[in-house]
Amino acid sequence: EPEVTQTPSHQVTQMGQEVILRCVPISNHLYFYWYRQILGQKVEFLVSFYNNEISEKSEIFDDQFSVERPDGSNFTLKIRSTKLEDSAMYFCANKKGGGLGNEQFFGPGTRLTVL
Amino acid sequence: GDSVTQMEGPVTLSEEAFLTINCTYTATGYPSLFWYVQYPGEGLQLLLKATKADDKGSNKGFEATYRKETTSFHLEKGSVQVSDSAVYFCALSDSKNYGGSQGNLIFGKGTKLSVKP
Repeated sequence: EPEVTQTPSHQVTQMGQEVILRCVPISNHLYFYWYRQILGQKVEFLVSFYNNEISEKSEIFDDQFSVERPDGSNFTLKIRSTKLEDSAMYFCANKKGGGLGNEQFFGPGTRLTVL
Repeated sequence: GDSVTQMEGPVTLSEEAFLTINCTYTATGYPSLFWYVQYPGEGLQLLLKATKADDKGSNKGFEATYRKETTSFHLEKGSVQVSDSAVYFCALSDSKNYGGSQGNLIFGKGTKLSVKP
């Protein structure tokens, strides 16, 4: 069964450093998302991406964040200058088609620790 | 804005006990409702869903009914197993972007379930 993969599984970085989190979505799934979960808190939406552009972003997704599909397959989340409060589990998700009822398939997550 | 309120955990049950995890939502439109499950060390997996009022989603013995009148989507299972131990997330798909069909998910805080043999 096709699945979403994410790398790395755990990233440790120093405050102020740039990190890039990578996701390989399921082939022919056209809608892409990033979510994050701070330890002990709820899963929060960051950004959605379709047709090579951001569709919607939350208040969390400020100028320090960016997303792209650099080679048409991988989907990346970049944090330009990490802060302590960016420490969280980051989940990539994607779904095949539009519509509110379609299932989003999630990757296993990348745990980001900012020191 | 839209939101999901979910029963706080952790919940500890004995095998074969009845499970209910409460979930209520606030939404301005007509969201779809989901239960996702996260097993230790894994990502979130869709457990079941319902896309309109009075729909019942079911899977692996779990079920939940979309109740518009009470804005609820409670998860139930008649007899839990040790293998059901996981974190359960209630979620809705944001209807405010329906024209763009993005369906960003809004999650509850998650309920950790531990089932003892």
